[in-house]
Amino acid sequence: LAKTTQPISMDSYEGQEVNITCSHNNIATNDYITWYQQFPSQGPRFIIQGYKTKVTNEVASLFIPADRKSSTLSLPRVSLSDTAVYYCLVGGPLINSGGYQKVTFGTGTKLQVIP
Amino acid sequence: IAGITQAPTSQILAAGRRMTLRCTQDMRHNAMYWYRQDLGLGLRLIHYSNTAGTTGKGEVPDGYSVSRANTDDFPLTLASAVPSQTSVYFCASSRAPGDEKLFFGSGTQLSVL
Repeated sequence: LAKTTQPISMDSYEGQEVNITCSHNNIATNDYITWYQQFPSQGPRFIIQGYKTKVTNEVASLFIPADRKSSTLSLPRVSLSDTAVYYCLVGGPLINSGGYQKVTFGTGTKLQVIP
Repeated sequence: IAGITQAPTSQILAAGRRMTLRCTQDMRHNAMYWYRQDLGLGLRLIHYSNTAGTTGKGEVPDGYSVSRANTDDFPLTLASAVPSQTSVYFCASSRAPGDEKLFFGSGTQLSVL
């Protein structure tokens, strides 16, 4: 079971690039890394997912080093609307053969964007 | 708009009462989940369903039950609510049981007094 560690909180000014790093030292070979964003009073929303190297979409980039023991979510030019909690998730809550594995969302990283 | 619909949005419930939280998805996803989110504890899995007709217990199942009569609906029932069940409840789904990409509903804020 891959445990993840993220900073509890981060502050950033509008227009800056924000990098949030997640550590997952015991990631399994077949685990993907998934990042979610959660605004107050809403459910988590999928942002990006990757397995290795770099993945980019219209919202963010995800950098994964060769050893896959960490990952970095990069948000370019943040705005006030990016203020949210960001969760790093390794693996999925269920396993294909049935049953569940305790994949914790943890408490995430609370990003506060400052004007 | 495709997605997950939860109802009610919020509810205040007297302890000892029975309550069913509704969850419906229109994405034809096989797997569905119920989470509760509490301050400082993150999201914890209550129950899950790999596919219609099957359910399983998650990390914190006590006091809750679920059913999965069809693909779209996954209701969560509190048979006799207690104050410790005051929480925000999220329903989620994924295309397949092993898929890490989850889709969440907007949540139900439940207060048990």
